[in-house]
Amino acid sequence: DTVLTQSPALAVSPGERVSISCRASEGVNSYMHWYQQKPGQQPKLLIYKASNLASGVPARFSGSGSGTDFTLTIDPVEADDTATYFCQQSWNDPYTFGAGTKLELK
Amino acid sequence: EIQLQESGPGLVKPSQSLSLTCSVTGYTITSGYDWSWIRKFPGNKMEWMGYISNSGSTNYNPSLKIRISITRDTSKNQFFLQLNSVTTEDTATYYCASTTVVTDYFDYWGQGVMVTVSS
Repeated sequence: DTVLTQSPALAVSPGERVSISCRASEGVNSYMHWYQQKPGQQPKLLIYKASNLASGVPARFSGSGSGTDFTLTIDPVEADDTATYFCQQSWNDPYTFGAGTKLELK
Repeated sequence: EIQLQESGPGLVKPSQSLSLTCSVTGYTITSGYDWSWIRKFPGNKMEWMGYISNSGSTNYNPSLKIRISITRDTSKNQFFLQLNSVTTEDTATYYCASTTVVTDYFDYWGQGVMVTVSS
């Protein structure tokens, strides 16, 4: 299976820029997607196919990358962005998720 | 807007079968999406379990292939998960989600149902 590696946690101050990385163990073309999950809620799609903003998602969120290295950027970070962020690939079967990056605000 | 809602027992005994229902509103499951089951284990790991396509074919995660079945009832606009021979390692929050065809990302999710496997 394709393993997606994310850093476990990040802490930033409101107003700053944060980049969350996801590295795939093998190429996934541009078929990388990002989700935000807050405690007690279902995941919410943020970015699809590496760089496409999902409907209703603020433009503060952006995505980049291709192949094996991908980044989700939030600029500027707001207090409401406290959550866990997951990447997911759908190029290789079975589809797999990263372990999540917990974003905390200072 | 598409809405999904999971339902089913919150407690299952080891070796028994886990059965969940996903009710879909705002969209017909025979239309343009596929329909997935995804679970999140304690500790955050997420696993895609499989999907049933809008035409009724299935695609399962090989790690579950001998235990899983996803079916549907088009008259009720519902799809179902059955996971056989469960163990405590199947304890998780189970989500159903719409799955875009070809690109296979999950854009609408249910709220999830917590299932505990315990005697």
